[in-house]
Amino acid sequence: ETGVTQTPRHLVMGMTNKKSLKCEQHLGHNAMYWYKQSAKKPLELMFVYNFKEQTENNSVPSRFSPECPNSSHLFLHLHTLQPEDSALYLCASSQSGLAGVSSYNEQFFGPGTRLTVL
Amino acid sequence: RKEVEQDPGPFNVPEGATVAFNCTYSNSASQSFFWYRQDCRKEPKLLMSVYSSGNEDGRFTAQLNRASQYISLLIRDSKLSDSATYLCVVKPKSGYALNFGKGTSLLVTP
Repeated sequence: ETGVTQTPRHLVMGMTNKKSLKCEQHLGHNAMYWYKQSAKKPLELMFVYNFKEQTENNSVPSRFSPECPNSSHLFLHLHTLQPEDSALYLCASSQSGLAGVSSYNEQFFGPGTRLTVL
Repeated sequence: RKEVEQDPGPFNVPEGATVAFNCTYSNSASQSFFWYRQDCRKEPKLLMSVYSSGNEDGRFTAQLNRASQYISLLIRDSKLSDSATYLCVVKPKSGYALNFGKGTSLLVTP
């Protein structure tokens, strides 16, 4: 088992709902990531936080809102999603320093939340 | 042009076979290279980093050719448990992002 947990594991929501995905890492890492994995597409980076500060937003629509209250927890708040947002949402963490993530730091992934938007 | 390109497969091979996967990347300034493994409906896990001089980990050998922007993974003596999708991953010199290929599917049969 990895040291990164995600809840819920499965989520079905309507386009008008508001829901949140939660990620927690127990590895002492300082960088956390949200990825989206759609069928037939490569993993897409959505957001990066380093020491609780957002360092990358990969042109993600505003209906996805990340929150990082501390280095161990990461949330993804969802509202007014579209059916094409249905995908596997993966959280990851890695070791980092204040200057950023070094080259070979492994990213550890959580099991993901499989989201279906109706 | 896609950042990281892989043959999606599937590669169907018998147990004991040797199989090789290739990957090309478009950003010549890329700094770090990895192979991740993803089992069906599971999260990706690091299989091995890829070093400039090539490296081996048991039955797995990774090679990097920076001039051709090409990475390979060789699996010897395939096991049934090697069945998975193998993701080629490239990290640019700056930023935090990892660029993932779509993955190559491997099925090892008895």
